[in-house]
Amino acid sequence: EPEVTQTPSHQVTQMGQEVILRCVPISNHLYFYWYRQILGQKVEFLVSFYNNEISEKSEIFDDQFSVERPDGSNFTLKIRSTKLEDSAMYFCASSERKGAAKNIQYFGAGTRLSVL
Amino acid sequence: DQQVKQNSPSLSVQEGRISILNCDYTNSMFDYFLWYKKYPAEGPTFLISISSIKDKNEDGRFTVFLNKSAKHLSLHIVPSQPGDSAVYFCAASTRVGAGNQFYFGTGTSLTVIP
Repeated sequence: EPEVTQTPSHQVTQMGQEVILRCVPISNHLYFYWYRQILGQKVEFLVSFYNNEISEKSEIFDDQFSVERPDGSNFTLKIRSTKLEDSAMYFCASSERKGAAKNIQYFGAGTRLSVL
Repeated sequence: DQQVKQNSPSLSVQEGRISILNCDYTNSMFDYFLWYKKYPAEGPTFLISISSIKDKNEDGRFTVFLNKSAKHLSLHIVPSQPGDSAVYFCAASTRVGAGNQFYFGTGTSLTVIP
């Protein structure tokens, strides 16, 4: 069964450093998403991406964040200068192309980001 | 910003009995609702969905009920099995089409006791 894969599973970084979280969405999907879950809190939407541009973003997704689809398979989330409060589990998701009868988003296993 | 609420953080049920997980929402623009299941160290896995034109959707042991006037949905699992033990999230969005953010509840941890 096709799945969304995320690497690394755990990333430890120093405050102020840049991190790149990587995701390989399901191959025939065209919509991509990043969510995060701070420990003990709800899963929160960060950004959605379609046709090489951001289609929607939340207030959390400020100038410190960026997304990119550098090639035909990877989808990345970059945090330019990490803060302690960026520590969270980051989930990548993908869904079928526009017009799908159901907007089911399929999630990866997540990358746990620890900012020290 | 609690647009989707799951007021019960945990639930324990005997194997074979019914599990009922509840979810409330405040945004009347939501028209598509989903339930996800999450095991530790894994991402959320899609379980079942319902659009606002329906009040019930069934898939095997899982049934989702939607009460739009009460802005309430519930997930019924019958019969409950130990493998159902996981955290269950309800999620909602404002449009059925792809590309829209989901708003998640905080989750309910279900334990099915053998």
